[in-house]
Amino acid sequence: DTEVTQTPKHLVMGMTNKKSLKCEQHMGHRAMYWYKQKAKKPPELMFVYSYEKLSINESVPSRFSPECPNSSLLNLHLHALQPEDSALYLCASSQGPGQGYSPLHFGNGTRLTVT
Amino acid sequence: SQQGEEDPQALSIQEGENATMNCSYKTSINNLQWYRQNSGRGLVHLILIRSNEREKHSGRLRVTLDTSKKSSSLLITASRAADTASYFCATQDNYGQNFVFGPGTRLSVLP
Repeated sequence: DTEVTQTPKHLVMGMTNKKSLKCEQHMGHRAMYWYKQKAKKPPELMFVYSYEKLSINESVPSRFSPECPNSSLLNLHLHALQPEDSALYLCASSQGPGQGYSPLHFGNGTRLTVT
Repeated sequence: SQQGEEDPQALSIQEGENATMNCSYKTSINNLQWYRQNSGRGLVHLILIRSNEREKHSGRLRVTLDTSKKSSSLLITASRAADTASYFCATQDNYGQNFVFGPGTRLSVLP
């Protein structure tokens, strides 16, 4: 079990659907991350929230929309996705800048399939 | 963007043998970290080595860091079937916010 919880574990959606991925942590971490991982590839950074503000957006298409309602929650809203967006979406958290250098704590991901 | 480069990309060994994986990176770093990922799961942090450290141990893990060569190695001693996983190095920038992962090494430990 991990201390970062992601829901749902699996999601199948059509290209016209709107869905959301959710992530929650209760470790008091102030930085939260979304990564995308394709099979046999490393995680690729999408977004970073630091102290609930979007601090890094790695040129992600607008069909992915992140949201950080509070310091414990992170959402990723999905709309009009393409089949190539099918991947494992990983949420992670860390203590955040100014808190010392700490590792990432990952959830087990949401396996997304776009049909 | 990808910073670290691991080699080998895939490694198969027998149980009880040692496994060595290497990682190279391109820019200055504050620290380098190693993570393990079991199939279809999230990544798990294994060990962190700071830029002013040369070697670090944790259980059966030994990590070295050579900042002059911008490279690191992860040694797993006395491997077990349960060590079968993908292993990634990741570098953390000096602001402490951005983590960049290498391509990873897929380790198979055969019983």
